[in-house]
Amino acid sequence: NAGVTQTPKFQVLKTGQSMTLQCAQDMNHNSMYWYRQDPGMGLRLIYYSASEGTTDKGEVPNGYNVSRLNKREFSLRLESAAPSQTSVYFCASSEDGRGGLLRNEQFFGPGTRLTVL
Amino acid sequence: GQSLEQPSEVTAVEGAIVQINCTYQTSGFYGLSWYQQHDGGAPTFLSYNALDGLEETGRFSSFLSRSDSYGYLLLQELQMKDSASYFCAVKTLSGNTPLVFGKGTRLSVIA
Repeated sequence: NAGVTQTPKFQVLKTGQSMTLQCAQDMNHNSMYWYRQDPGMGLRLIYYSASEGTTDKGEVPNGYNVSRLNKREFSLRLESAAPSQTSVYFCASSEDGRGGLLRNEQFFGPGTRLTVL
Repeated sequence: GQSLEQPSEVTAVEGAIVQINCTYQTSGFYGLSWYQQHDGGAPTFLSYNALDGLEETGRFSSFLSRSDSYGYLLLQELQMKDSASYFCAVKTLSGNTPLVFGKGTRLSVIA
């Protein structure tokens, strides 16, 4: 099993360009997530999808769109990149998004390091 | 809103014990998770506490006190490979975020 895979690993964009970050998981998980990580800021949720066909905004959704293409794939799109979107982007998946005693372990992909000039 | 507080940096000696604390303020609290992240790597899950008390997994233990809104990660017999960032994360029902992460504690293990 590959777990969670992300493409590309590195990307440099100019301000105003668009791009899509791809994410796929082979663990048959219902929930998938997109985070960004900036120095000293921890992980901040951009969007998540609790199941195929549903998406919800997280803490920092502005400037991003997502598509839950099927149960395996969850893509993140930057329509018009800005320097403030320079960050490391992580995709993650888990069996269940909510519930009390369920530990909701999230499995992370290797990340995409994005620089916007 | 939701917030988590943890120390930004901790240094400890190889072979010693270190405790990383996490305090949180949130509504609709379900449980507290801990993740480890090495430089340049992805976060990996360490533990989850939904009930008060101590959970032990090998050299790592995690504790939760719901009444104090407080938890900690305890690392014993520290090894150089334990040098990493450690994040506490709250699983919550409220708001639009299923898991809220703290800003992380960078642990440096020295010889």
